Amino acid sequence: QLQLQESGPGLVKPSETLSLTCTVSGGSISSSSYSWVWIRQPPGKGLEWIGNMYYSGSTNYNPSLESRVAISVDTSKTQFSLKLTSVTAADTAVYYCARREHVTWSFDNWGQGILVTVSS
Amino acid sequence: EIVLTQSPATLSLSPGERATLSCRASQSVSSALAWYQQKPGQAPRVLLYGASNRATGIPARFSGRGSGTDFTLTISSLEPEDFAVYYCHQRSTWPLTFGGGTKVEI
Repeated sequence: QLQLQESGPGLVKPSETLSLTCTVSGGSISSSSYSWVWIRQPPGKGLEWIGNMYYSGSTNYNPSLESRVAISVDTSKTQFSLKLTSVTAADTAVYYCARREHVTWSFDNWGQGILVTVSS
Repeated sequence: EIVLTQSPATLSLSPGERATLSCRASQSVSSALAWYQQKPGQAPRVLLYGASNRATGIPARFSGRGSGTDFTLTISSLEPEDFAVYYCHQRSTWPLTFGGGTKVEI
């Protein structure tokens, strides 16, 4: 059974870089049948797609974040990562990693989410 | 970007009642629309994809219809576990976007 687990610091200072890792277990991260996604949710608000990465290494990012975001995959460790630079309080959110399946094109597996607070 | 507007924001119903949730897109997304359910403290889970196709393990009381700009999620008879927030999501055009959500409360 596929499981995704986010990890990283829960508190980041303003202007610094937010770095999160998603560890994938119970399945392969090296498949053209899936892409690997980050989605966030500010407290009490809705969902925002951040970006995704394909096995080929190509990426798509939300234009609202594109200048500050990078997603990478480490297939040897079955992990993928998110870096978001120059964070502000507006980046405080629960960050989810997820798998996007390429038949239904839905996010069919999610991590439990990690709350990241931006504060000095 | 395509803006998805969900209505109502909150739907107050009782178990056994029928729930009808709406999602309107700012431009056509064809049938590239999915619905997700989120319970407090949990990650969302996919209910429907392609506007009307139930995801694996989703009960038949959940149904969807629509194409273009207007979509509906119907829960035919609410079970206690269905009280949650529901989001629509479009994959027709980058960036991928979500609606603001409809909370179905008791």
